[in-house]
Amino acid sequence: QVQLVQSGAEVKKPGASVKVSCTASGYTFTAYTIHWVRQAPGQGLEWMGRINPNGGDTNSPPKFQGRVTMTRDTSISTAYMELSRLTSDDTAVYYCARERSGTGEDSWGRGTQVTVSS
Amino acid sequence: QSMLTQPPSASGTPGQRVTLSCSGSSSNLGSGSVNWYQQFPGTAPKLLIYNTNQRPSGVPDRFSGSKSGTSASLAISGLQSEDEADYYCAAWDDILNGLVFGGGTKLTVL
Repeated sequence: QVQLVQSGAEVKKPGASVKVSCTASGYTFTAYTIHWVRQAPGQGLEWMGRINPNGGDTNSPPKFQGRVTMTRDTSISTAYMELSRLTSDDTAVYYCARERSGTGEDSWGRGTQVTVSS
Repeated sequence: QSMLTQPPSASGTPGQRVTLSCSGSSSNLGSGSVNWYQQFPGTAPKLLIYNTNQRPSGVPDRFSGSKSGTSASLAISGLQSEDEADYYCAAWDDILNGLVFGGGTKLTVL
C-alpha cells in the first residue's frame, strides 16, 4: 500500500537548520509531486512548497523562498525538505504529501515534529 | 491571515446536513478547483474532496463539494459523531503560484 514515512522528531536551536525526509513506497515515486505542509501548534495548515521528483523542479511561496530547500533522491524514493535560519515560529509539525496533477494530495506522511528552542 | 476564509467553527446534530463555507478570490477559487481535507487531532490531514466535487475512493457519499464563483462549500449529510473534526479548504493561487489553505473550520457534533 502507499506509504510516506517521515523522519523523526527534531529539536533545534534558533539559527540552525533542519532537514526532514519523506520516504515513499507502494507507488512509482517519480509519478507524483511531493508537497510539504506545516502546522504550528493550534494553527492551520500552511503550504511550504512542492517538488517534482521527475526532474527535481521546485516551487515555494515567497515567505519561504531563500530559506527552504527541497530535494529528492530517486534511487531511494525519498524527498527532503531543509529549512534554514530557524526561529521559534518554525516550531510545527511538518508533513509531506503526494499529489498527481488535479487529483489532490491523496496520501500524507504522519508528520515530523520540529521544535525550535534555545 | 489565510488567503481562503473559513468560519472558525460550525456545529450540527446527528443526522443533520451541515454546510461548511470557503471564500476566496479571483486568483484562487475564481480560477480553479478546490480541495477539502479532514483532520482529527494529532493526525495528518486526509483528502476528502478534490477537483471541487470529486471523492477519493473510500470517502462516503455523505460528503459533497461545490463551488460558485469565488466561494466553495463542503456539505455533510447524515451527520455522524465521527465527523467531528477540523475541515480545511485549499486551492491553487495563480498570483502566489502556490497552494493556499483556509484557516480551517472546527466541526462539532452536538
